[in-house]
Amino acid sequence: DIVMTQSPDSLAVSLGERATINCKSSQSVLYSSNNKNYLAWYQQKPGQPPKLLIYWASTRESGVPDRFSGSGSGTDFTLTISSLQAEDVAVYYCQQYYSTGMYTFGQGTKLEIK
Amino acid sequence: QVTLRESGPALVKPTQTLTLTCTFSGFSLSTSGMCVSWIRQPPGKALEWLALIDWDDDKYYSTSLKTRLTISKDTSKNQVVLTMTNMDPVDTATYYCARIYYGSGSSHFDYWGQGTLVTVSS
Repeated sequence: DIVMTQSPDSLAVSLGERATINCKSSQSVLYSSNNKNYLAWYQQKPGQPPKLLIYWASTRESGVPDRFSGSGSGTDFTLTISSLQAEDVAVYYCQQYYSTGMYTFGQGTKLEIK
Repeated sequence: QVTLRESGPALVKPTQTLTLTCTFSGFSLSTSGMCVSWIRQPPGKALEWLALIDWDDDKYYSTSLKTRLTISKDTSKNQVVLTMTNMDPVDTATYYCARIYYGSGSSHFDYWGQGTLVTVSS
């Protein structure tokens, strides 16, 4: 199975500042046939299910604020929140879907306000 | 409007079999590209993917749990059922069902249920 490792485990950022979360996969999740990275990002607030933010590593889901962006390719990926808002406090997960039926998530990064 | 809802027992005893049902609306599992998955999350811990069933009745299971899991669907009832045998306290978790639609070629989870907490204890 592909192992997903996020860093840091927790992060405190001031309101209005940039937050950056990293995700590394144990093998490439880039399909050469279509040049797409099979990686998604989710946001989970306390007591709620995860919410899809980003797929194909950089495609924002409909309705997701444009302060959220995803980047990276191959094995190294980043979720960036350009200007942290209070409502962005949550745990963030990356997930690979490179292999059908062998999906794996990162361990999560807890984002708090400094 | 796509919705999913998990149902099942809140408490099971060790060694028992857990049966969970995901009832969904707003899509059909007979539509090409549609899939429903189960994912769990122990309290305070990360998400763990468990199983998936697709429109063609193909089934996929977590490598580490596949001997204990069975997933099935009832298209007419818009339901997906997951059974997990030989439950143990470490299986205490919130169990989610979620949808995948391959329409864009991507298998991200675009809709999730609210989850159901299952506690394993004697």
